[in-house]
Amino acid sequence: DGGITQSPKYLFRKEGQNVTLSCEQNLNHDAMYWYRQDPGQGLRLIYYSQIVNDFQKGDIAEGYSVSREKKESFPLTVTSAQKNPTAFYLCASSISQGRETQYFGPGTRLLVL
Amino acid sequence: AQTVTQSQPEMSVQEAETVTLSCTYDTSESDYYLFWYKQPPSRQMILVIRQEAYKQQNATENRFSVNFQKAAKSFSLKISDSQLGDAAMYFCAYTSYDKVIFGPGTSLSVIP
Repeated sequence: DGGITQSPKYLFRKEGQNVTLSCEQNLNHDAMYWYRQDPGQGLRLIYYSQIVNDFQKGDIAEGYSVSREKKESFPLTVTSAQKNPTAFYLCASSISQGRETQYFGPGTRLLVL
Repeated sequence: AQTVTQSQPEMSVQEAETVTLSCTYDTSESDYYLFWYKQPPSRQMILVIRQEAYKQQNATENRFSVNFQKAAKSFSLKISDSQLGDAAMYFCAYTSYDKVIFGPGTSLSVIP
């Protein structure tokens, strides 16, 4: 079955620690996205990538980093510079950047110890 | 800058009845898409319906339909014959070539 997987489902971060959230898709989509969702709020775009080895900052990129070495994979690292990382993180992909329908993974819940 | 507004934080509907969720947006672009996504308690985001801005005909998907008023920049979602499984957060989203913006969401409850 084609789809998007995210792991882990839950992730705990200690103060000063970097953590990496995994996102993999087998839909052969060129574009991939990372969103942050806080309680009672909509999705805010962190980073997006239109093609391998290229990515762009979204609205709230500070304290986060990404890589796109393979078409299928778009990992997100939450660095120690992100002072309020507790949130629900959603990864999505689409055939191409822009107006295409986005398909979402099941999400990762990040909590700070 | 583009914005998406959903003025109803919470809505409720009786099972089998019809409910309309509101969405307005602001943009100076002419070529864009609009979407409604559903997020049930599992938190998996699911596409409900999409509308291309260049199409005048309103999109429909089974019990779901939209009222797209381009001049008014309004994009409401109508759910007919509401079912218990429709209970979820509903997000309106705007996309253009280099922008993706989600509204704050409307929480829909379905009363048996």
